[in-house]
Amino acid sequence: AQSVSQHNHHVILSEAASLELGCNYSYGGTVNLFWYVQYPGQHLQLLLKYFSGDPLVKGIKGFEAEFIKSKFSFNLRKPSVQWSDTAEYFCAVNAPAGKSTFGDGTTLTVKP
Amino acid sequence: NAGVTQTPKFQVLKTGQSMTLQCAQDMNHEYMSWYRQDPGMGLRLIHYSVGAGITDQGEVPNGYNVSRSTTEDFPLRLLSAAPSQTSVYFCASSYSDHYEQYFGPGTRLTVT
Repeated sequence: AQSVSQHNHHVILSEAASLELGCNYSYGGTVNLFWYVQYPGQHLQLLLKYFSGDPLVKGIKGFEAEFIKSKFSFNLRKPSVQWSDTAEYFCAVNAPAGKSTFGDGTTLTVKP
Repeated sequence: NAGVTQTPKFQVLKTGQSMTLQCAQDMNHEYMSWYRQDPGMGLRLIHYSVGAGITDQGEVPNGYNVSRSTTEDFPLRLLSAAPSQTSVYFCASSYSDHYEQYFGPGTRLTVT
């Protein structure tokens, strides 16, 4: 069975600090990888995705993620966070046949 | 496009009552899923469907039923509500299992 592990449950940063959120997955086959964001009081929305090709993918609002196949990792990064990035971030894996698996989420709090 | 819509937004049930959470999408997506979100546990897949007439169980299916008679609608039925089903429920749809999911606004359910 596939699984997703997010290492940081709660991260607190000051504005302009750099961000890296870890995500490791467990699945033996071809996967599609996603990061979703949930702003306070809102539903989940896509931040970025990896299907194939360049392992460094760029998403909205200056976020990027790197897929490292040998490490089964898909870490999310942002060079300089803003107060408006305060949200919960979820890493997810889509395996064939429609079953998606999400990590437990990381709550990011950015102090102004 | 309305995207993914869910009703109701809030619901309070007494233990033993039954109800149906409605979900509809207007994007002609084949794949639809139901998740529950609990603090510190991320999103857990309840049931999913890969097309009209086809449904399957996810990670936490007990106590829930689904059916998919049309491409647009994917209702989730709670047969006999229990306090352990207090949660936020999200419906999602996607073009296929290789694509990102679009989420509805969620239903906050409290079972007393």
